[in-house]
Amino acid sequence: RKEVEQDPGPFNVPEGATVAFNCTYSNSASQSFFWYRQDCRKEPKLLMSVYSSGNEDGRFTAQLNRASQYISLLIRDSKLSDSATYLCVVNMRPSNTGKLIFGQGTTLQVKP
Amino acid sequence: EADIYQTPRYLVIGTGKKITLECSQTMGHDKMYWYQQDPGMELHLIHYSYGVNSTEKGDLSSESTVSRIRTEHFPLTLESARPSHTSQYLCASSEVVGGSYNSPLHFGNGTRLTVT
Repeated sequence: RKEVEQDPGPFNVPEGATVAFNCTYSNSASQSFFWYRQDCRKEPKLLMSVYSSGNEDGRFTAQLNRASQYISLLIRDSKLSDSATYLCVVNMRPSNTGKLIFGQGTTLQVKP
Repeated sequence: EADIYQTPRYLVIGTGKKITLECSQTMGHDKMYWYQQDPGMELHLIHYSYGVNSTEKGDLSSESTVSRIRTEHFPLTLESARPSHTSQYLCASSEVVGGSYNSPLHFGNGTRLTVT
């Protein structure tokens, strides 16, 4: 089993739709969680950190479920510009090694 | 916007050549990383560093080596390039905040390496 797993998709949605991605992680002691966005042939860029209480940034909402060991990303009112691959990132230890493991990504295609 | 730079942006080179991929950051970050990513695939950590004179191998076995003589510089070297090394190499850095080593990563724009 991979340490961080995501449904690769692609998720094809119309503009204005709400879409949600999940990501499961294997290490129950993980403490840091992030969502990154990667456009085709570009470097990943931080979208948002994921906090225990859940957090929102405009149309984007991230949540953490420690009991089930998954994080989620909800995108409301999808825009064409949201089309990208969304990477789930988790640290693999509770201590200070700081090794961050990336999921394979979920591809989103927003259609007009 | 993160200040982390990679050169060259693209490199096409013949088998057996020695190459060095450069990565520099101007943010004073202690932690630096090298990831390898094939098209459509996930990123794999190949090297990381906690600070000057500290280097560790990542989760993906790699024939490359790294050095960290200065905080801002983390070059990656392949002594003898092979076609199997063809990939995208992404350098990243992060800061230590409040003793936590789990801050988000800032990436350079990558080096696309093709070995013929």
